[in-house]
Amino acid sequence: GAGVSQTPSNKVTEKGKYVELRCDPISGHTALYWYRQSLGQGPEFLIYFQGTGAADDSGLPNDRFFAVRPEGSVSTLKIQRTERGDSAVYLCASSLESARNTGELFFGEGSRLTVL
Amino acid sequence: GNSVTQMEGPVTLSEEAFLTINCTYTATGYPSLFWYVQYPGEGLQLLLKATKADDKGSNKGFEATYRKETTSFHLEKGSVQVSDSAVYFCALMTSSRQLTFGSGTQLTVLP
Repeated sequence: GAGVSQTPSNKVTEKGKYVELRCDPISGHTALYWYRQSLGQGPEFLIYFQGTGAADDSGLPNDRFFAVRPEGSVSTLKIQRTERGDSAVYLCASSLESARNTGELFFGEGSRLTVL
Repeated sequence: GNSVTQMEGPVTLSEEAFLTINCTYTATGYPSLFWYVQYPGEGLQLLLKATKADDKGSNKGFEATYRKETTSFHLEKGSVQVSDSAVYFCALMTSSRQLTFGSGTQLTVLP
């Protein structure tokens, strides 16, 4: 079956612009996560959705970052007034609710964002 | 806070060599521990896990044992193959459901 799908795979933008990154999770997965991976580092947690609601957004770095999941499936990560420091690979992952606390997340290939 | 420290890479081995990638952690409470792997051109995927002290996770010939006394979860494989070339990430999860990752170790296996 299909895995986690992320679009675009690559995005180049200019400082100050607005960016949207999309994630289509595995069908039936109720939990959805966003992580950010900078060069040479491991992924860092941004936000976690259970259904339509953000259960934990403690990893969002500031109020320029926002994410939605209006119908409990596809999610969009939105970044306003992009800065060069936002350049990274943004990873989306999904999991079954029954995987609660087991840590088995299914990751997409990521969206590479470059801010010039 | 929670943190994971893993062996810096890159690591280059010949086929059939023994592999160890060290991982230690700091966490509040009793975390679950994981190794994730990222093959070239693919997304991160779970390799193995252990949820309590002294548990051994294993998969595809890889093993790691949850050592609470040394706060470690070292990854081992007795005989690596070229197809094992990838980036390996150690990670932990507590009740918050946030995965905390190490910085990754690049493994290259030469034929």
